[in-house]
Amino acid sequence: DGGITQSPKYLFRKEGQNVTLSCEQNLNHDAMYWYRQDPGQGLRLIYYSQIVNDFQKGDIAEGYSVSREKKESFPLTVTSAQKNPTAFYLCASITGQGNTGELFFGEGSRLTVL
Amino acid sequence: KNQVEQSPQSLIILEGKNCTLQCNYTVSPFSNLRWYKQDTGRGPVSLTIMTFSENTKSNGRYTATLDADTKQSSLHITASQLSDSASYICVVRGYGNNRLAFGKGNQVVVIP
Repeated sequence: DGGITQSPKYLFRKEGQNVTLSCEQNLNHDAMYWYRQDPGQGLRLIYYSQIVNDFQKGDIAEGYSVSREKKESFPLTVTSAQKNPTAFYLCASITGQGNTGELFFGEGSRLTVL
Repeated sequence: KNQVEQSPQSLIILEGKNCTLQCNYTVSPFSNLRWYKQDTGRGPVSLTIMTFSENTKSNGRYTATLDADTKQSSLHITASQLSDSASYICVVRGYGNNRLAFGKGNQVVVIP
């Protein structure tokens, strides 16, 4: 079945360590997104990519980095520069064709910094 | 100011009762509006998507309405079940771009 796979589902990290969250989709979607979700807040955009080898900063990109070397993959690295990285991270993708393209989400990755 | 405002922030309803969730938005020009259901610790799952020309759409016990003139949408849950306990998120897409505006969600708790 087509969908978005995020891994790992749970991740613990010590302060000062970089971690990379994986996001893979087999939906042949052009655009992919990374969001951060904190309790009581809406999803906030970290980075997005409309096409391979291109990506743009979202509203809260500081302390994060991404790459888009393949259409199917959009990994997110949470660097040690991110001051408050403990959160639930969601990856999503959407077809770039038309305005009614379905937006799919992965199951999320919960990062906890110890 | 957030471009998508949802109300109520949270509500508790008895199993079998109906409820209505509200979403007001300021995104313009407007392309479409989506309602998602998010169970705790899971990714959001699409319930409905509505474009400018649609004013009502159903998905089982979920019925969404849209008034593009007043920029308001509602999600009505009929005969609620315990499994309806979740956060319901309103997402608005502007025309001609892939940026999306998210509401903070309506937290619904269904009790027996």
